[in-house]
Amino acid sequence: QQPVQSPQAVILREGEDAVINCSSSKALYSVHWYRQKHGEAPVFLMILLKGGEQKGHDKISASFNEKKQQSSLYLTASQLSYSGTYFCGTPALKGTASKLTFGTGTRLQVTL
Amino acid sequence: DVKVTQSSRYLVKRTGEKVFLECVQDMDHENMFWYRQDPGLGLRLIYFSYDVKMKEKGDIPEGYSVSREKKERFSLILESASTNQTSMYLCATRPGTLNTEAFFGQGTRLTVV
Repeated sequence: QQPVQSPQAVILREGEDAVINCSSSKALYSVHWYRQKHGEAPVFLMILLKGGEQKGHDKISASFNEKKQQSSLYLTASQLSYSGTYFCGTPALKGTASKLTFGTGTRLQVTL
Repeated sequence: DVKVTQSSRYLVKRTGEKVFLECVQDMDHENMFWYRQDPGLGLRLIYFSYDVKMKEKGDIPEGYSVSREKKERFSLILESASTNQTSMYLCATRPGTLNTEAFFGQGTRLTVV
């Protein structure tokens, strides 16, 4: 099952903050975040690991609540370049295979 | 730089045709994935492969099959294309180790008429 993201879409003015949430019905051991700009491939932002370790972006932060099976992405002082669709990804082990499932997406538009 | 190349950016096919979407990676990654992207539904996993000739169904495998004869190449096959398979198809790769990022191809916009 896909993780569910909220909100589905958000419009911000430059400099405003936003929070994007990702919720899974399954236990998580890590969460990925990706951003896809219009007409481009999704690009990796960060990985959040159990225990709070975070690898990735220096201007965007995120949290991971393992017990609630949720992650949130925090975009502060947004810039025009933040516009795009954000996806959370939840890896899962299926036997020896590493499955990667993505969420429903959040479309973010930053305006002047 | 990791390169994930999908054979076509745009493709138009007729209903009932057999369609092949190809994905090639140059980073020796064990895992390869096919997703379809539709508005409001995000990225949905069709199939993935963790080794040559090894495959697993994703969340929406119906109407699709895959082939991985060589490590660098992962093909998605629509046996008999239908209009409800009109979509953006994205290929991704990922190393076999845990906690590693995925790399995506540019996508193939498939229209079935």
